[in-house]
Amino acid sequence: KAGVTQTPRYLIKTRGQQVTLSCSPISGHRSVSWYQQTPGQGLQFLFEYFSETQRNKGNFPGRFSGRQFSNSRSEMNVSTLELGDSALYLCASSTEQGAIYGYTFGSGTRLTVV
Amino acid sequence: GENVGLHLPTLSVQEGDNSIINCAYSNSASDYFIWYKQESGKGPQFIIDIRSNMDKRQGQRVTVLLNKTVKHLSLQIAATQPGDSAVYFCAETSGAGSYQLTFGKGTKLSVIP
Repeated sequence: KAGVTQTPRYLIKTRGQQVTLSCSPISGHRSVSWYQQTPGQGLQFLFEYFSETQRNKGNFPGRFSGRQFSNSRSEMNVSTLELGDSALYLCASSTEQGAIYGYTFGSGTRLTVV
Repeated sequence: GENVGLHLPTLSVQEGDNSIINCAYSNSASDYFIWYKQESGKGPQFIIDIRSNMDKRQGQRVTVLLNKTVKHLSLQIAATQPGDSAVYFCAETSGAGSYQLTFGKGTKLSVIP
């Protein structure tokens, strides 16, 4: 059974640019959550999607957005990149909405903003 | 590794010894707690969980203890092995309807062969 797949694994962008990251959940999982991981702030919740709808959002500026497709794949977008957006972006999938009990994380996308 | 912070608490143990990793949480409404292991270049991996109506839960070589009075969680790893070297995070949530985990800062465990 394939795990949670995140692409790309590494990304380098310039300040002011925008970026789109992709997450393919485990087959059958309908909930996708995104987290940002930095050395200073640790792991912080960005948002959760279920059935193509954002159900919950963390305390991040509006430059961070996402969406979920009918096949449960999810993308997150960061516009007008800042140096502080450099981080490991992790997605986690689970079967039900907010089903944190069954969270499975991907390996993440390492974003570097220069 | 990708998840090592400048101020990440560290714990070094000899192979074969027992390890104890501690975590303090702040939300008294949290009713579900999870320990994750994160190896370099990988996402967090589930180790063990515990609900607030329990104070101890055991898995294979791991035990989680919960003290709600002082809002403290610990992970005990028996007979620590080199493969246990990783960063360990505790996470909490207020359960159904919460939709998100709140993570602790993490502890880096190094096992000395």
